[in-house]
Amino acid sequence: SQTIHQWPATLVQPVGSPLSLECTVEGTSNPNLYWYRQAAGRGLQLLFYSVGIGQISSEVPQNLSASRPQDRQFILSSKKLLLSDSGFYLCAWTRAETQYFGPGTRLLVL
Amino acid sequence: AQSVTQLDSQVPVFEEAPVELRCNYSSSVSVYLFWYVQYPNQGLQLLLKYLSGSTLVKGINGFEAEFNKSQTSFHLRKPSVHISDTAEYFCAVSVVIKAAGNKLTFGGGTRVLVKP
Repeated sequence: SQTIHQWPATLVQPVGSPLSLECTVEGTSNPNLYWYRQAAGRGLQLLFYSVGIGQISSEVPQNLSASRPQDRQFILSSKKLLLSDSGFYLCAWTRAETQYFGPGTRLLVL
Repeated sequence: AQSVTQLDSQVPVFEEAPVELRCNYSSSVSVYLFWYVQYPNQGLQLLLKYLSGSTLVKGINGFEAEFNKSQTSFHLRKPSVHISDTAEYFCAVSVVIKAAGNKLTFGGGTRVLVKP
């Protein structure tokens, strides 16, 4: 069966520090992968998606970037965090028409 | 572009009472429809989905939803809720176009608080 992992589970970072969040999917190959952010009072916002290694589509201009160095690995990064980057980051993958979500990473930028 | 509206941001309900969460969408192309549940500090869990076929869809935990194409709605129902159903519920759509990458558009969510 397929599983999706995210780490770390929680993270507290100072403003201006770098960020790296990792998402890994097991039990499938060539999945579509997604990064979402859930900020208080703002619902779920799609940040990036990827249909293959090295293929990244950005949905909104922002302080973040994404990379897919391996088929089942999706990384969310920032060079300098802003206060507004705080939120709950969710990774997801697609099997057929359906997206399945990871457990999430809670990021607090102070 | 698609949009999803969840008409109720919060729904308080007593244990063992029925609940209905409303979801309306707009899209110029055919869509797939989904309901997800999120428990505190957890990811989203798929409750049910409509891809094609019967418009009444049954999901996990006793939930069901009905797709109404003329009203562009996909309301979620449960005849008798439990305390454990306290969570946030999200309605979402994706377009039926593979090139679109199965991207989901979410509603704003409905918080369900089940009271004893």
